[in-house]
Amino acid sequence: GAVVSQHPSRVICKSGTSVKIECRSLDFQATTMFWYRQFPKQSLMLMATSNEGSKATYEQGVEKDKFLINHASLTLSTLTVTSAHPEDSSFYICSVPGQGAEAFFGQGTRLTVV
Amino acid sequence: SQQGEEDPQALSIQEGENATMNCSYKTSINNLQWYRQNSGRGLVHLILIRSNEREKHSGRLRVTLDTSKKSSSLLITASRAADTASYFCATDWASGNTPLVFGKGTRLSVIA
Repeated sequence: GAVVSQHPSRVICKSGTSVKIECRSLDFQATTMFWYRQFPKQSLMLMATSNEGSKATYEQGVEKDKFLINHASLTLSTLTVTSAHPEDSSFYICSVPGQGAEAFFGQGTRLTVV
Repeated sequence: SQQGEEDPQALSIQEGENATMNCSYKTSINNLQWYRQNSGRGLVHLILIRSNEREKHSGRLRVTLDTSKKSSSLLITASRAADTASYFCATDWASGNTPLVFGKGTRLSVIA
């Protein structure tokens, strides 16, 4: 199966700063990647769909100006949390859809905003 | 948005017992998958069942799907302490570039 590398795995940042999370598809090119967010003891919620060469599409309630997504190449999507606040502290995870039904997930990024 | 509920929300059993988790969803699906997540870590894909399948096995895992009731169950037989994790069902409505919609998950604790 595809290998998806997500970096960093953990990050602590100060309130008001920005954090960039990278998601790389190592085995094949991905025109689409998905970003999910998971608050403690909750499930994964889709935040946005990252589209190579075009704008990302965001789920309702997700601020596109706060969560900047760039999918500049077929193997890399980045999520930048801008002006982070403590309520943005969460587990962020990306996924790459496979050729079949299975999705391949990155290792996730634990963001803590202090 | 989330598809629906999983029950129980938390389950605690003794090692060697079987664990059954249920998942319900709201809309028509193409596939249903089960994932495991160890505390605060990434997802591990367990098993996929297609909408035209009713039952599937993989090692100690048995998954059933009832599309008329929009529900699925995951059975883990002869549980081990290492099975302690959260388990999520996830559905999609088409193959290809569509995201997964996750259930709320069941937190399983297997006591040695």
